[in-house]
Amino acid sequence: QVQLQESGPGLVKPSETLSLTCTVSGGSVSSNTYYWTWIRQPPGKGLECIGYISYSGSTNYNPSLKSRVAISVDTSKNQFSLNLSSVTAADTAVYYCARVLSNYGDYYMDVWGIGTTVTVSS
Amino acid sequence: SYELTQPPSVSVSPGQTASITCSGDKLGDKYACWYQQKPGQSPVLVIYQDTKRPSGIPERFSGSNSGNTATLTISGTHAMDEADYYCQAWDSSSVVFGGGTKLTVL
Repeated sequence: QVQLQESGPGLVKPSETLSLTCTVSGGSVSSNTYYWTWIRQPPGKGLECIGYISYSGSTNYNPSLKSRVAISVDTSKNQFSLNLSSVTAADTAVYYCARVLSNYGDYYMDVWGIGTTVTVSS
Repeated sequence: SYELTQPPSVSVSPGQTASITCSGDKLGDKYACWYQQKPGQSPVLVIYQDTKRPSGIPERFSGSNSGNTATLTISGTHAMDEADYYCQAWDSSSVVFGGGTKLTVL
């Protein structure tokens, strides 16, 4: 059974870079069946996809965040990571990593991490 | 960019049928899926490919998608179904979420 676990600092200062890692267990980030994604949820608000990465390293980012986001994959550690630069209070959110299953033209998140809360504050 | 619109809230009495809609331009030409999120928990996939239920999701959850609207239907709603529900679709290689609907069972 695949499990995902987010890790990283819970507090980031304004203008700095938010860095999170998602460790995949029970499965491989190298599988060509899946994409790997970061989703965030500001307090009391809805879900927002930050972007995703394929096993080969190709990425797609939310246009509203594209200039500040980088997602990478480390197959040797079975992890993928998120870097979000120049953060502000608006980036305060619960950050989830998730697995995206591609199935007959449908793309959906079938496995989610438990989420990690990141607060941007000085 | 593509947008999905959901009602902010829906109320239902226990044992009755709840319907949550998700609207988007020609949504019926795409696949829609639905997630349930309870307070303090991660989202859980309840419907994918418009109508399919993942293993472990009760049969009372069903979905449809036609025209501009996808619908999540919960038949014989239980108190435990009270949660936020999000629709999601894939458009131009991007993941798009609806704004979410809070289902209240009262």
